[in-house]
Amino acid sequence: DSGVTQTPKHLITATGQRVTLRCSPRSGDLSVYWYQQSLDQGLQFLIQYYNGEERAKGNILERFSAQQFPDLHSELNLSSLELGDSALYFCASSVGVVNEQFFGPGTRLTVL
Amino acid sequence: QKEVEQDPGPLSVPEGAIVSLNCTYSNSAFQYFMWYRQYSRKGPELLMYTYSSGNKEDGRFTAQVDKSSKYISLFIRDSQPSDSATYLCANTYNQGGKLIFGQGTELSVKP
Repeated sequence: DSGVTQTPKHLITATGQRVTLRCSPRSGDLSVYWYQQSLDQGLQFLIQYYNGEERAKGNILERFSAQQFPDLHSELNLSSLELGDSALYFCASSVGVVNEQFFGPGTRLTVL
Repeated sequence: QKEVEQDPGPLSVPEGAIVSLNCTYSNSAFQYFMWYRQYSRKGPELLMYTYSSGNKEDGRFTAQVDKSSKYISLFIRDSQPSDSATYLCANTYNQGGKLIFGQGTELSVKP
């Protein structure tokens, strides 16, 4: 158990819908990262927050957004969902001054 | 060309074998190198984290980095069926930065 929690474990929804994925980092970690894992693209970095501020952005679609709250948990919002958004979404956290990132168990999103 | 390349396998070995997993990368700016293990549909688990060229050992695992040839390796000694998983190498430019992952190598250790 990495100490990073993610909810829900599974999400099944329809095209065009909007969903919110939640992540709680390890105690004491200030950085939260979001990654998407699909069969064809592998693990891809989406976005990073550090202590509430956006720090880095990867190949995140405009339909996707994220935020980190004062209690350091983070939410990833996915809207206007398409079939191709079906994937595993992982959250990771780190202390912030070292780059050892610890991953949560992931949320499996299925868009029908 | 992908920034980090891995042979996807699958790689099948008998129990007790020494396993060698490899990655190559193209960007000489990478400074930090990691190996993660991922069991089917689970979150990646950090195995090794290295910065400099050379070897780093942790139990049955040894990570090797050769920055001059942009080549990183993970060796698993006395492999066990429980080592059956996908192994992902990951690189990054700086501390606290995004990880660039290889595609992963699927390993199967047969009893």
